[in-house]
Amino acid sequence: EDKVVQSPLSLVVHEGDTVTLNCSYEVTNFRSLLWYKQEKKAPTFLFMLTSSGIEKKSGRLSSILDKKELFSILNITATQTGDSAVYLCAAVNAGNMLTFGGGTRLMVKP
Amino acid sequence: NAGVTQTPKFQVLKTGQSMTLQCAQDMNHEYMSWYRQDPGMGLRLIHYSVGAGITDQGEVPNGYNVSRSTTEDFPLRLLSAAPSQTSVYFCASSYRKSRDTEAFFGQGTRLTVV
Repeated sequence: EDKVVQSPLSLVVHEGDTVTLNCSYEVTNFRSLLWYKQEKKAPTFLFMLTSSGIEKKSGRLSSILDKKELFSILNITATQTGDSAVYLCAAVNAGNMLTFGGGTRLMVKP
Repeated sequence: NAGVTQTPKFQVLKTGQSMTLQCAQDMNHEYMSWYRQDPGMGLRLIHYSVGAGITDQGEVPNGYNVSRSTTEDFPLRLLSAAPSQTSVYFCASSYRKSRDTEAFFGQGTRLTVV
């Protein structure tokens, strides 16, 4: 059975801190890993990772995939209160089926 | 640019009632899916479809039916609602499996069964 585990479950930091969110996966016929940010409504897309070791970057957010150790991390530097959200990772298999982790709830305090 | 449209946004049902959650996408995506999200949990796959006329079960299919008569529409039917089906439901779509692409989500339907 495909499985995705995220850690930590929740995190409280202060503005300006750097955070690292973890996502490990066990997926048959793994194809790619997706990161989403979810505030009050639908998840919004952050990154898609298909190759090991290649960092994807968008502003203060970056992510990398390790296909040998079966995990990915999402880094957020210089956090802001607007980064407060649930961060979801999902592993995609060859049939395009997504398996989601339980999410990490991040709260950034002023 | 509508993307994925879900209706209704909110719904309250009595136990035993039936209803259909609508999902439509205008991106010509082959792959469509339904998820439910319960408090503190990630999204769990209910049913999915890889194209018109083809549907399959996901992780938590019991109590739900789907059909895919057109590429654009993928309705989710609750035949006899139960309180355990109180949840937020998301529809998603993406391109065919030969393309690496993210899934696009609708805005969600918050369903309460009393």
